[in-house]
Amino acid sequence: EDKVVQSPLSLVVHEGDTVTLNCSYEVTNFRSLLWYKQEKKAPTFLFMLTSSGIEKKSGRLSSILDKKELFSILNITATQTGDSAVYLCAVEAWYDMRFGAGTRLTVKP
Amino acid sequence: GAVVSQHPSRVICKSGTSVKIECRSLDFQATTMFWYRQFPKKSLMLMATSNEGSKATYEQGVEKDKFLINHASLTLSTLTVTSAHPEDSSFYICSALGQGETSDNSPLHFGNGTRLTVT
Repeated sequence: EDKVVQSPLSLVVHEGDTVTLNCSYEVTNFRSLLWYKQEKKAPTFLFMLTSSGIEKKSGRLSSILDKKELFSILNITATQTGDSAVYLCAVEAWYDMRFGAGTRLTVKP
Repeated sequence: GAVVSQHPSRVICKSGTSVKIECRSLDFQATTMFWYRQFPKKSLMLMATSNEGSKATYEQGVEKDKFLINHASLTLSTLTVTSAHPEDSSFYICSALGQGETSDNSPLHFGNGTRLTVT
């Protein structure tokens, strides 16, 4: 059965720390892997990854996909309190999209 | 736990017809459900929020007469696209929160989405 597993489920760090969030998947007909930041009721799109080994970067956030080992990581460097949120990983297949359970990140001042 | 089932996963319909999409929470009671539409570049636009037993709250710019949302029970919300047109073709996805959960303190539980194609 297709599944997307995120780890850890929750994480507490202090401002300035670097964090790595993990997403592993088993999905047939893989098209892409997406990272979102859950802000209130709607996830904000962060990255879309389709090819292995190519890092996507946006400010302090970066992400990379390994299609051989079936996982992706989301890195956040120099964390700030505003980074506190649930981060969602989703895998798009040809006909559907599966979300992981999310990682709750808390950044303390 | 917290499984959300969305049905159908794919639907093709003719212009002018109506399509109903179901979102069910299988192992929890969903007091709040959200409906989204995915746009190119993969952003998810929130269309509406539905609470069991009350009228849905629509986001600005979403036509409530076109996108009918019903949340008749704690485990089922439906989105009906009425008089569908080709521009309504998109990927629609729902999410849910259980009792005691808020979007501030809990991850949203997502369905697998429905790809609607209007010909």
